[in-house]
Amino acid sequence: QSVLTQPPSASGTPGQRVTISCSGSSSNIGNNYVNWYQRLPGTAPKLLIYKNNQRPSGVPDRFSGSKSGTSASLAISGLRSEDEADYYCSGWDDSLSGHVFGTGTKVTVL
Amino acid sequence: QVQLQESGPGLVKPSGTLSLTCTVSGGSITDNPFYWVWIRQPPGKGLEWIGTVSYSGRTFHSPSLESRVTVSADTSKNQFSLKFRSVTAADTAVYYCAKSSGEMATIRDAFDIWGQGTTVTVSS
Repeated sequence: QSVLTQPPSASGTPGQRVTISCSGSSSNIGNNYVNWYQRLPGTAPKLLIYKNNQRPSGVPDRFSGSKSGTSASLAISGLRSEDEADYYCSGWDDSLSGHVFGTGTKVTVL
Repeated sequence: QVQLQESGPGLVKPSGTLSLTCTVSGGSITDNPFYWVWIRQPPGKGLEWIGTVSYSGRTFHSPSLESRVTVSADTSKNQFSLKFRSVTAADTAVYYCAKSSGEMATIRDAFDIWGQGTTVTVSS
């Protein structure tokens, strides 16, 4: 069902840097912007990164996004316990004519 | 600040129709250039886009769900709605409504505001 592929899990200790990958194709990531969402336990998703690397107002600069070809990445630096959440990449897919999401990555702070 | 609130029955019988409404406050669903979106997340699975209605009333549906889904807007009530026909247990999910950011003024925009979500269970 999910068109974009993410690792199921990632972890790190407080203060560390964690990177999450998102792999797609030319019809989605390769030709469109990538967005990232954070879903804290029991809450609705929150927009974290849009247009590959832009942060909405209020999102700490510890979160950064990048894109290269048909892949994208989300980096969390200075990991904090409150960063424990599920993270999803997303974007438009030209072939499917719709929004697609990644499989999701659960980040654990050890 | 725009806020969204989903409402509707939490239990739907198999083969029935799931109907949800999203009430928008702090803004108008006719405000250009925003798009109003339905997304769901089945238990243990990822997020799935269902459909979108634009500020002008134009609708877009996921191709894989299009035959069973209708998204619409009621400007008089400042609400937009989802109707999902012939539901099965596989349609059990948390359903979210969301708003596009308007950054690019297209349907491709990210979703910057979400409702809290409503759980819908399909069971007899």
